[in-house]
Amino acid sequence: AQSVTQLGSHVSVSEGALVLLRCNYSSSVPPYLFWYVQYPNQGLQLLLKYTSAATLVKGINGFEAEFKKSETSFHLTKPSAHMSDAAEYFCAARPGAQKLVFGQGTRLTINP
Amino acid sequence: DGGITQSPKYLFRKEGQNVTLSCEQNLNHDAMYWYRQDPGQGLRLIYYSQIVNDFQKGDIAEGYSVSREKKESFPLTVTSAQKNPTAFYLCASSMIQGSEQFFGPGTRLTVL
Repeated sequence: AQSVTQLGSHVSVSEGALVLLRCNYSSSVPPYLFWYVQYPNQGLQLLLKYTSAATLVKGINGFEAEFKKSETSFHLTKPSAHMSDAAEYFCAARPGAQKLVFGQGTRLTINP
Repeated sequence: DGGITQSPKYLFRKEGQNVTLSCEQNLNHDAMYWYRQDPGQGLRLIYYSQIVNDFQKGDIAEGYSVSREKKESFPLTVTSAQKNPTAFYLCASSMIQGSEQFFGPGTRLTVL
């Protein structure tokens, strides 16, 4: 069965520093992949998605993610963190026509 | 504005009571989903529906029930059989099952 692993339940970076949130999926067939962001007591908002068109995907708020088939990874990055980036981030996979499978989430903290 | 609405935002329930959480979408999406979110556990699928008058159990359906009488509505009932119902509940919808999902703002249920 498809699974999604997010390495690190908590990540803390300084304002202006690089943000790197890690996501690995388990599948012999590259799935569709998504990153969502959740602010406290709110729903999830789609940041970006990979649908096999391009391996480097740009999303909203300056985030991007790179699909690496050889590493079964889809890590999320942002060159310079902003205080407003503090939130919880979820990686999700859709292997073919099946349901979405979510990772456990990574809480990002930004230090001033 | 198109989107997904959930009501109420906060809900308090006494033990032994059934409660119904509302979810409405005006995106003309075919599929709708209910998730439960607990701290540190990510999102777990309760029920989903691909078409009116049809729905399937997700990973944690015990103690919950749903109906899909209209395309735009997918209410979730938390029954007294759910032993630990205190959680944040998220409703989502998508064009077809498994494509990117759009989320509502959530309902926080607390059992007193």
